[in-house]
Order: sequence, then C-alpha cells, then structure tokens
Amino acid sequence: NAGVMQNPRHLVRRRGQEARLRCSPMKGHSHVYWYRQLPEEGLKFMVYLQKENIIDESGMPKERFSAEFPKEGPSILRIQQVVRGDSAAYFCASSRGGLGNTEAFFGQGTRLTVV
Amino acid sequence: DAKTTQPPSMDCAEGRAANLPCNHSTISGNEYVYWYRQIHSQGPQYIIHGLKNNETNEMASLIITEDRKSSTLILPHATLRDTAVYYCIVRVPFSGNTPLVFGKGTRLSVIA
Repeated sequence: NAGVMQNPRHLVRRRGQEARLRCSPMKGHSHVYWYRQLPEEGLKFMVYLQKENIIDESGMPKERFSAEFPKEGPSILRIQQVVRGDSAAYFCASSRGGLGNTEAFFGQGTRLTVV
Repeated sequence: DAKTTQPPSMDCAEGRAANLPCNHSTISGNEYVYWYRQIHSQGPQYIIHGLKNNETNEMASLIITEDRKSSTLILPHATLRDTAVYYCIVRVPFSGNTPLVFGKGTRLSVIA
C-alpha cells in the first residue's frame, strides 16, 4: 500500500508564475490536509478537504492560494503569482476518516523555491 | 483541543532510552494523546497515540500518568536515525473535522 504521494518533490518558480502541487492520498483515504512549513519554522495548517468539498480553509491565505480535491485524481494546491515569501515546504496528509477518527499519514512534501 | 508543553530540546546517547515528556494539564476526559515526529526535511511521521492506558508499538511506548495531565514517549533504544523533532498533540478522536495542530515540539538529538 503506497503512502501519500506528493509531486513534484522540488519546484522552482519565478516570481509571478503559478505553482501547482499535487497530492495523491493513501488508498482508501478520502480526507486530505495541506500544511506549510517555512524555513526553520513549524508546520502550519492550511486547508482540509474531502472529495469535492473544502471542509476547513481557515489557514489558507486569502489571496492567490486555492485547493481542490476532485472526485477523480489527486488533490491540488495552487498558488498563483508566487512571491518569494511563498518559498516553503508544503506537506499533504491523508486519513481514512476525519482526523478525529484515525491517525493521519504525511507525504514527503514539495519544496517550493521562488526565485 | 488542549494545549501541550514540551521541552524545546533534549539529548540522548545512542543505545539508551530516550524519554520525552509532555505536559497537558488541561486535557479533557475524551481527548487522546498523539505523538508525531519530523525527521529533518521529511514529512511528519505518526508514532503512537493513547487515552489513559499505556501503549506500546514497534516504534515506541507511551506512558500516561493516572491523572492524565502528563505523558512520556519512550524510545527504548535510541539510534542516530531517531534524531528528529517530536510533537505531542492532544485531541478528541471523534471531533470530526478539525486538523492536527502542531506546536514547537522537542528537538531530540541522539549522540553517538
């Protein structure tokens, strides 16, 4: 059973470009969570999604960031018009039910560098 | 979810037991204690969780005090690969749709 798969592992974008980060949850998991970790800082929750629904986006910046988890395919975190401050590691986690019910498993992250 | 307090850093000699404490004095009766760790640059890794009984798995043991106000994660024979930041999180397992909230954790350094 493959773990949570994130791609790409490393992504370099110029300022103003778009970044698209993908997360394929573990088999049988229908809940996805995105976290951001700035250099030398802790993990910050961004958004929680179930299939086709955003459950909690309280940690998402109000502008330029969006997330989706379609019925088919991976979850996508999209950052439009990236700025240098977006450079960070972005981690995705998945769980079978809501996080209340079981532990979450994390992917290895996507490291975004904005130049 | 209740707040937790952990020491910012600890050292442990390789091969010895690493005992990582966590205070959660405001824990509610239905909140569990979860432990995760993050090895440098990797995604967080689930370790163990428990309610009030001590728990053990292939990675670690979790000892929860009788009043549940504190707990200790034990890595019985620490190796260099156990060097990581360890996070103690308390939450209600059936709380529905709330995410894991990570604090600052304890940075464990295993020394040869």
